[in-house]
Amino acid sequence: DTGVSQDPRHKITKRGQNVTFRCDPISEHNRLYWYRQTLGQGPEFLTYFQNEAQLEKSRLLSDRFSAERPKGSFSTLEIQRTEQGDSAMYLCASSLRGTGSYEQYFGPGTRLTVT
Amino acid sequence: GDSVTQMEGPVTLSEEAFLTINCTYTATGYPSLFWYVQYPGEGLQLLLKATKADDKGSNKGFEATYRKETTSFHLEKGSVQVSDSAVYFCALPNTGTASKLTFGTGTRLQVTL
Repeated sequence: DTGVSQDPRHKITKRGQNVTFRCDPISEHNRLYWYRQTLGQGPEFLTYFQNEAQLEKSRLLSDRFSAERPKGSFSTLEIQRTEQGDSAMYLCASSLRGTGSYEQYFGPGTRLTVT
Repeated sequence: GDSVTQMEGPVTLSEEAFLTINCTYTATGYPSLFWYVQYPGEGLQLLLKATKADDKGSNKGFEATYRKETTSFHLEKGSVQVSDSAVYFCALPNTGTASKLTFGTGTRLQVTL
């Protein structure tokens, strides 16, 4: 049973640099979600895909952020011109539409530190 | 919009003590409700769920009952262990498109010997 995986687990970058994170969902899951979690807070929704279509984006997702899921399998989240406020844990989750219970399964996260 | 309110932590208990973490929600309709647990340095794991009113979710000795009258989903465990030390999040899915999860701020539990 392979769960959701994320890469890298940790990323330290300098302000102004671009970073890209990858998420591999559970293989049969057709929905994929990105969340951001800052210290002491619950995860906040960023965006989600059903297959390869990006169906919803949060106001938190500024124009420096872009996400793709080109073949409906893995997804990437890119942050351009990083700022210190982007430092957070970025979580990916997946689910199977149509099960009726809407539970999502999370990966271990990518912790981003912008210096 | 949908929202979740959890009791603030940290909650510090001795091993074998009884645990309650309160969670109340605001939502349109009767969504599924979840408790997730996050151990240090890890992602979130689904702990238990309830899909309709009066359902009781249970797992690993934890229980929570979906109470629509009080819009609550309190987490309980009769006897906590040191290994239960973690942050616990109450969550509900968007009732419109059932896409995003809305989380509470989390409650940190610290169990000591």
